[in-house]
Amino acid sequence: DSGVTQTPKHLITATGQRVTLRCSPRSGDLSVYWYQQSLDQGLQFLIQYYNGEERAKGNILERFSAQQFPDLHSELNLSSLELGDSALYFCASSVLPEADTQYFGPGTRLTVL
Amino acid sequence: EDQVTQSPEALRLQEGESSSLNCSYTVSGLRGLFWYRQDPGKGPEFLFTLYSAGEEKEKERLKATLTKKESFLHITAPKPEDSATYLCAVRGSGAGSYQLTFGKGTKLSVIP
Repeated sequence: DSGVTQTPKHLITATGQRVTLRCSPRSGDLSVYWYQQSLDQGLQFLIQYYNGEERAKGNILERFSAQQFPDLHSELNLSSLELGDSALYFCASSVLPEADTQYFGPGTRLTVL
Repeated sequence: EDQVTQSPEALRLQEGESSSLNCSYTVSGLRGLFWYRQDPGKGPEFLFTLYSAGEEKEKERLKATLTKKESFLHITAPKPEDSATYLCAVRGSGAGSYQLTFGKGTKLSVIP
């Protein structure tokens, strides 16, 4: 158990819908990262927050957004969902913002029908 | 742009048959190379961080080594419970220094 929690574990929704994924980092970690993992693409970095502020953006679509709250939990919002958005979404956390050792949560499996 | 290539894509070993997984990387100023283990449907589990060429780290049957262009994950006398996908990632010092770039992984199967 890494200490990073994610909810929900599974999410099934329809195209065009909007969903919110939630992540709580390890105790003491200030930095949160979101990744998408699909069968053909591997783990792709989406976005990073550090102590409430956006620090880095990767291959994140404009339909996706995220935020980190004062209690340090983070939410990833996915809207206008498409079939291709079906994937595993992972949250990771670290103490430092410089992407030092990251500890991953169990993930949320999103299925878009 | 940082790049990571892992080989082989899949590896099938008999229990007790030692082998190595390869991770080749291209990065602007390596700030860290990371190995993770991932079981199906689970989150990656941190194994090792290596920072400089010549560095080695060990944990049980696993040993990670690092050169200037690649890293190896040596598995000695593997057991069936070592079956998993092993992921390699790098952090560079360029524009993407806040993120990790992952390879696609090596899927290891250890047969009893």
